[in-house]
Amino acid sequence: QQQVKQSPQSLIVQKGGISIINCAYENTAFDYFPWYQQFPGKGPALLIAIRPDVSEKKEGRFTISFNKSAKQFSLHIMDSQPGDSATYFCAATGANSKLTFGKGITLSVRP
Amino acid sequence: DGGITQSPKYLFRKEGQNVTLSCEQNLNHDAMYWYRQDPGQGLRLIYYSQIVNDFQKGDIAEGYSVSREKKESFPLTVTSAQKNPTAFYLCASGTTPYEQYFGPGTRLTVT
Repeated sequence: QQQVKQSPQSLIVQKGGISIINCAYENTAFDYFPWYQQFPGKGPALLIAIRPDVSEKKEGRFTISFNKSAKQFSLHIMDSQPGDSATYFCAATGANSKLTFGKGITLSVRP
Repeated sequence: DGGITQSPKYLFRKEGQNVTLSCEQNLNHDAMYWYRQDPGQGLRLIYYSQIVNDFQKGDIAEGYSVSREKKESFPLTVTSAQKNPTAFYLCASGTTPYEQYFGPGTRLTVT
């Protein structure tokens, strides 16, 4: 049973465009939703995170939108750059102290 | 220079041999985690430890063992009982389960 589902599986965006990655979760006990960015051969790095008491959080070109009633959250990358090409994981956790990850999505930003 | 170190970066073993992957952190984090990453599978939790001398099984603990004798160290042993050990192994640490910081990973190949 996959508790965190990402879509699409892969994404190709032109430089300067907006990249949108979606996640859906099932467990209503989750109360923290981070996004991780991973470059090939490296460990994932925490990019941005949100809690369900806010609907949106922005850090630079990265924005998380959160819809509690739909149990969905998404990552928007504005003005996408080739350097943003990486694998992006959404995750969720709650009181059980374990992070549950989505399967990841590969973003390619074309120059 | 603070952070999480994993060694070696690449590891090759023959089938039937046990192998131990190293993970060290100097961030003074209480919690440490081991994940396995396979293509298209996301990150799956193997074991985690929230305090010295205590650890819990994650979602895919079979064929693996860990120890937590020191706060800074959380080695993972891949035993010969692990049926499909070839993978990218990631260690993480954090002060709370909500924020986890990953090491650079060890790529294990078993032939």
